[in-house]
Amino acid sequence: NAGVTQTPKFRVLKTGQSMTLLCAQDMNHEYMYWYRQDPGMGLRLIHYSVGEGTTAKGEVPDGYNVSRLKKQNFLLGLESAAPSQTSVYFCASGGVIQYFGAGTRLSVL
Amino acid sequence: GQQLNQSPQSMFIQEGEDVSMNCTSSSIFNTWLWYKQDPGEGPVLLIALYKAGELTSNGRLTAQFGITRKDSFLNISASIPSDVGIYFCAGQGDYKLSFGAGTTVTVRA
Repeated sequence: NAGVTQTPKFRVLKTGQSMTLLCAQDMNHEYMYWYRQDPGMGLRLIHYSVGEGTTAKGEVPDGYNVSRLKKQNFLLGLESAAPSQTSVYFCASGGVIQYFGAGTRLSVL
Repeated sequence: GQQLNQSPQSMFIQEGEDVSMNCTSSSIFNTWLWYKQDPGEGPVLLIALYKAGELTSNGRLTAQFGITRKDSFLNISASIPSDVGIYFCAGQGDYKLSFGAGTTVTVRA
């Protein structure tokens, strides 16, 4: 049972570089989510999707873009990384109950 | 997003002790969830509560959905070393989760 798989697990970027985080789920869920986790702040919702081809902004969407071209995949993009985007990023799928991936640890220097 | 107040921020446990943590909100939620996060991993669901006043157990864990729908608590009975980690409460509304900042549980030396 893979559940929710995130790649990569770790990444170091320089300021201004771009990257894409990939999330894949095998539970046939309509809803998918991207969160960031910072010390002492819990998880904050960046963007989410209610189905293939749809995306919506969450609590902290600035500086990020997302795409949901296939139901099982949800991509998070950083076009021009900033040090403030250093964080741990989690993808989740589900709805009322959400299931999380293991996270991507991103450092922006 | 909604702000959830989770307390305590941290606690130390001794094996065999009962511990409690709680979460309050200024908003009403349809569902309350409790997650646990181990180092380097994503949050894992412990208990889901669907109805105001509901009391639910999962092994040594017991959680309640407050009557006002604005609060929840989690109890861990007879704690063991593997109970260490970060516990998060989350309120669900419109298929989106709002998280508390977490309670870090560590073993008392």
